Amino acid sequence: EPEVTQTPSHQVTQMGQEVILRCVPISNHLYFYWYRQILGQKVEFLVSFYNNEISEKSEIFDDQFSVERPDGSNFTLKIRSTKLEDSAMYFCASSITPAPRDYTFGSGTRLTVV
Amino acid sequence: QKEVEQDPGPLSVPEGAIVSLNCTYSNSAFQYFMWYRQYSRKGPELLMYTYSSGNKEDGRFTAQVDKSSKYISLFIRDSQPSDSATYLCAIESYSGGGADGLTFGKGTHLIIQP
Repeated sequence: EPEVTQTPSHQVTQMGQEVILRCVPISNHLYFYWYRQILGQKVEFLVSFYNNEISEKSEIFDDQFSVERPDGSNFTLKIRSTKLEDSAMYFCASSITPAPRDYTFGSGTRLTVV
Repeated sequence: QKEVEQDPGPLSVPEGAIVSLNCTYSNSAFQYFMWYRQYSRKGPELLMYTYSSGNKEDGRFTAQVDKSSKYISLFIRDSQPSDSATYLCAIESYSGGGADGLTFGKGTHLIIQP
């Protein structure tokens, strides 16, 4: 069964450093998403991406965040200057339709900011 | 405000028991109701979804929606140790522009004791 692949599985970074989280969506999917889950909290929507542009973003997705689909296969989330409160699991999802019930989630990247 | 409330547990039951997991929601704009299973260090995996009030069955799993009381449930019959996981309810809403994404509950940690 096709999978959404995320790398790395765990990343530790120093506060203030830039990180790039990588995702390889399912190959024929057209809609791409990032969600995050702070330990013990709800899974929260960050951003959706379609046709090489952001479709929607939440209040969490401020200027320190950016997304890119640099080469037609990868989908990346960049955090420019990490803060301690950015420590969370970050999940990528992709879908062939815009319906959330069609999402396939990746296994996540655990980001630890120290 | 779109809110989904879910008791985080943990909920511990003996193998073979019927499990009942529940969520409440506040916004009538919600249209599709999903249940995800999440194993430790993995992404959410869609179990089933439903649209209307009533029951939907899939093997040992039954999803129930009561839109009048804004209450959704997941029942697991003949529970197995492999069902031990965190179960997330998630609700999909739509506005004039299309899908607004998923709003998740906090998840209930379920433990099935052998």
